[in-house]
Amino acid sequence: GQQLNQSPQSMFIQEGEDVSMNCTSSSIFNTWLWYKQEPGEGPVLLIALYKAGELTSNGRLTAQFGITRKDSFLNISASIPSDVGIYFCAAHNAGNMLTFGGGTRLMVKP
Amino acid sequence: ETGVTQTPRHLVMGMTNKKSLKCEQHLGHNAMYWYKQSAKKPLELMFVYNFKEQTENNSVPSRFSPECPNSSHLFLHLHTLQPEDSALYLCASSQGLGDTQYFGPGTRLTVL
Repeated sequence: GQQLNQSPQSMFIQEGEDVSMNCTSSSIFNTWLWYKQEPGEGPVLLIALYKAGELTSNGRLTAQFGITRKDSFLNISASIPSDVGIYFCAAHNAGNMLTFGGGTRLMVKP
Repeated sequence: ETGVTQTPRHLVMGMTNKKSLKCEQHLGHNAMYWYKQSAKKPLELMFVYNFKEQTENNSVPSRFSPECPNSSHLFLHLHTLQPEDSALYLCASSQGLGDTQYFGPGTRLTVL
């Protein structure tokens, strides 16, 4: 199936730095989601975005639903070691299956 | 705790074994999904059930057999698997078909 283009594929940053990752698509979606997956676990929903232009925060995480409805970004401020994991974007339209990005592997150096 | 549980968390089986994976959701959702996640590959949707009826089979080999006895439980029966079937198998559920999905912790399967 169609896959979202997620970048970067991996990031190795210093604790305390801010992180930014994004997803783009050639198709329009009505819902964008961001998940985090830690080793040996399933993806956990972090933020859900339902409206174009919407900016939503969850603690140190902020995500935006692009105005064109073809992209989304996730920012993490002041990273800490427990932010380590793989971050997935996903998107869908009502009644349709989720389409996933390839994931961004985040590594944080204490 | 996401409300979706999976058992076992880890499974090692030989190619001739028969085993089953179990998923249970406590969220009152009507749709349930099986995904396969292999190393360095995107999530692969395998099966979709909505109100206990299978709505999607993504060209999955017949050695994987799903079962959905009710909206809260989903099984994946495994038989005569191959080593390349080793992966993390994830279950997810959503309120309705295509709604936001909530994932279980997965079963790490190793086929020897």
